[in-house]
Order: sequence, then C-alpha cells, then structure tokens
Amino acid sequence: EIVLTQSPGTLSLSPGERATLSCRASQSVNSNYLAWYQQKPGQSPILLIYDASSRATGIAARFSGSGSGTDFTLTISRVEPEDFAVYYCQQYGRSPPEIAFGQGTRLEIK
Amino acid sequence: QVRLVQSGAEVRKPGSSVQVSCKIPGDTFSNSVINWMRRAPGQGLEWMGGLVIIFGTPTYAREFQDRVTITADESTSTVYMQLSSLRSDDTAIYYCARGAAAFLLSYYMDVWGTGTAVTVSS
Repeated sequence: EIVLTQSPGTLSLSPGERATLSCRASQSVNSNYLAWYQQKPGQSPILLIYDASSRATGIAARFSGSGSGTDFTLTISRVEPEDFAVYYCQQYGRSPPEIAFGQGTRLEIK
Repeated sequence: QVRLVQSGAEVRKPGSSVQVSCKIPGDTFSNSVINWMRRAPGQGLEWMGGLVIIFGTPTYAREFQDRVTITADESTSTVYMQLSSLRSDDTAIYYCARGAAAFLLSYYMDVWGTGTAVTVSS
C-alpha cells in the first residue's frame, strides 16, 4: 500500500507570492501517475494536474506540476486570491487497483 | 459540461445504514468508471472504493471492505454507495467522481459529484 505525505500542512502566503507544495510517496509512483486537486470550502474537488505535469482542461497556466519517482511538486507561480484552498495529491495506476490521497496542504492568506 | 448529481443530505443513527446515489449522464453511463470518496470534518480525502460499470464488479478499499457496497442501475443511469454499521466517525461529505479513463478503476478523476453530507448521531 502506497502512502502519500504532503508538506507543509499549512502554507501561509500573500497574493502574488510563489507557492510550492510537496507530495512524497512511500514507494515509486508508476509512470508518474500522480494528480493534484484543489478543494475550496463548501465545494467539490477539481482536477488541476494529472500524470504529474499535465494541466487539466481550463486550469490556469500559473499552476504547474513536476517531479518523478517518489517526489512531486505543485507550484503556483503567483498566488491569486481565488487560489486559497486545500490541495491534495493522488496516486493511481496500481494493480490490484487502489487510490491513495495525501492528507492535504492548506494554502491560506498571510 | 458533464455533471454528477448526488442525492441530498442524510441523518442516521449509529448502527444503521445509508445509501447515497450519483446520477451519471445517460450517454456516458456504460463506459463510466465511478469512485467514491469521503471527507470527514478536519480530515483529508479518503478513497472508499469504485466500480467499472461495464465490468460490474466493484473494488473496495481495505478499510471499508466489510461495510460498503457499490452498485449500478442501468435503467436510471445511477450508481449507489451503501455504508452500513454507521458510527459517529462516518460523519462526512461523500463524493462520487468519474475516472478519466474508460475501464481503469485506478486513475485520476476529472468530474466530481455535488457531494452528500451524511451525519451520524444518536
């Protein structure tokens, strides 16, 4: 069973600053099958990044994903007011099928 | 835009069961893969299990294996998640979500349901 650990737990930034969120896997993620989601209060999660670095349809270019193996990063180049939310990483593609999420990083206004 | 509509909020007593529904757009139903997650207060997302509808056999997370049942009704294009032997720590928002790849259960999810609040309280 793969375990995903996200850091930091909470990230306090001002609008315009750069956000770097980390996701570390307990074992190598096959084919970089890692996704990132954003969840705002009272809303359902939305897909931001899949396959570690591909932006989902309609997602702003300030969101980017990188990494491979066990270490992955979500970067927001310049945080906008609407970006303050909780972010989750998720691994997929394992057999037998299972899905694991990280515990989340809360991005809050400083 | 594809949207998964879930059933409304539920309140249950400990020891009882709850069933949450997830309506899938009719033209995509047969090829859909639907996973269920939950988010308890102050906690992160937790995968409960999923179903490749065309194959018909669900897969459950180990933590829920004994208590969760996922089924599909082709006549109404609806997927159901039933959780039994409810406890207070099952209080959460429950979400269905569509897998982005046909026939693969373990994949990223590109469309999420509207969410259903389940409260377990005596």
